[in-house]
Amino acid sequence: GENVEQHPSTLSVQEGDSAVIKCTYSDSASNYFPWYKQELGKGPQLIIDIRSNVGEKKDQRIAVTLNKTAKHFSLHITETQPEDSAVYFCAASVGGWGKLQFGAGTQVVVTP
Amino acid sequence: EAGVTQFPSHSVIEKGQTVTLRCDPISGHDNLYWYRRVMGKEIKFLLHFVKESKQDESGMPNNRFLAERTGGTYSTLKVQPAELEDSGVYFCASSQQGDSPLHFGNGTRLTVT
Repeated sequence: GENVEQHPSTLSVQEGDSAVIKCTYSDSASNYFPWYKQELGKGPQLIIDIRSNVGEKKDQRIAVTLNKTAKHFSLHITETQPEDSAVYFCAASVGGWGKLQFGAGTQVVVTP
Repeated sequence: EAGVTQFPSHSVIEKGQTVTLRCDPISGHDNLYWYRRVMGKEIKFLLHFVKESKQDESGMPNNRFLAERTGGTYSTLKVQPAELEDSGVYFCASSQQGDSPLHFGNGTRLTVT
């Protein structure tokens, strides 16, 4: 089955700097790649997603890139702010959007 | 619109006891999913309902876990009897259609002692 690896497990950045989280997947049939942000005591919240027919997608300070050949995708957060501090999860799905294989998560800490 | 609600938010039970978790999806969402995250590992898929029918239950760990969605509205996940390794956070998610993004609830933190 699908296996998603996520790096790094923790990421500390200075406010205003950029943060990059990388994920690799094993199943070349995966065609949907969402990113979730989880704040303390809350459930994962979708922040951006990308389909396999698109190489890059951007939404304000957040962007995701997908390299199907290498089977990896990345989340880029620019101009980080303290409220960006959270755990971020990447995920991949084959076929149905609801059956997701998650990465292990990245704890992002943005220091003022 | 109201989001996905789960209760209880926390549950502490002893090994061998029974616990029932409840999930109320967003109104009108036919698709309902259960996931769990144990011991800081990745979030893992448990099962998927479409209305009241189980579409995919390939992620259910064993027969101590029973999920139901009578009437196609709210869902329950019962663990009987609970074991120590069942401790973790159980998330419910829903989506309007099979190709719509998931909306997650805040989860139920289950501790088995």
